[in-house]
Amino acid sequence: AQSVTQLDSQVPVFEEAPVELRCNYSSSVSVYLFWYVQYPNQGLQLLLKYLSGSTLVKGINGFEAEFNKSQTSFHLRKPSVHISDTAEYFCAVSGSNYQLIWGAGTKLIIKP
Amino acid sequence: DGGITQSPKYLFRKEGQNVTLSCEQNLNHDAMYWYRQDPGQGLRLIYYSQIVNDFQKGDIAEGYSVSREKKESFPLTVTSAQKNPTAFYLCASSIGARAYNEQFFGPGTRLTVL
Repeated sequence: AQSVTQLDSQVPVFEEAPVELRCNYSSSVSVYLFWYVQYPNQGLQLLLKYLSGSTLVKGINGFEAEFNKSQTSFHLRKPSVHISDTAEYFCAVSGSNYQLIWGAGTKLIIKP
Repeated sequence: DGGITQSPKYLFRKEGQNVTLSCEQNLNHDAMYWYRQDPGQGLRLIYYSQIVNDFQKGDIAEGYSVSREKKESFPLTVTSAQKNPTAFYLCASSIGARAYNEQFFGPGTRLTVL
């Protein structure tokens, strides 16, 4: 069965520092990969997605992610974080029956 | 403005009572979804619907029921058979039910069983 692992439940980082949120997945077939963001007490919003083509994907709010097929990873990065980036970030991979398989989430904590 | 609305934002229920969560979208999307979110866990799919008058069980459908009589509406009923219903419930929609379609989310309903 497919699965998604977000290795860190929380990532604290100083404002204006770079950040990487890690996501690994298990799948024996081609996949679609997504990162969603959830601000406190809100629904989720798509940050970026990989469907095919270039392995470096750029999203909203200055985030980008790189698809690495050999490592089965799709890590999210931002070169300089802002206090407004405080949120929970979810990685998801396409599964069977049109469903998405979700990671447990990583809380990004920005320290002033 | 196009989007998804969920009501109510907060809901309190006594044990043994059924309760219905509302989800409405004006995006003209065919597919709609219900997820449950618990602290420290990812989203778990309860039910999804690819088209009006059709829906399928997700991973955790036991104790829940849905209907899809109109394209824009996908209400979720949490029945008394659901053993641990306290959670954050998210409704989503997408233009189609393919895995590559972006899902758009509502603001969620927080259900607390007293």
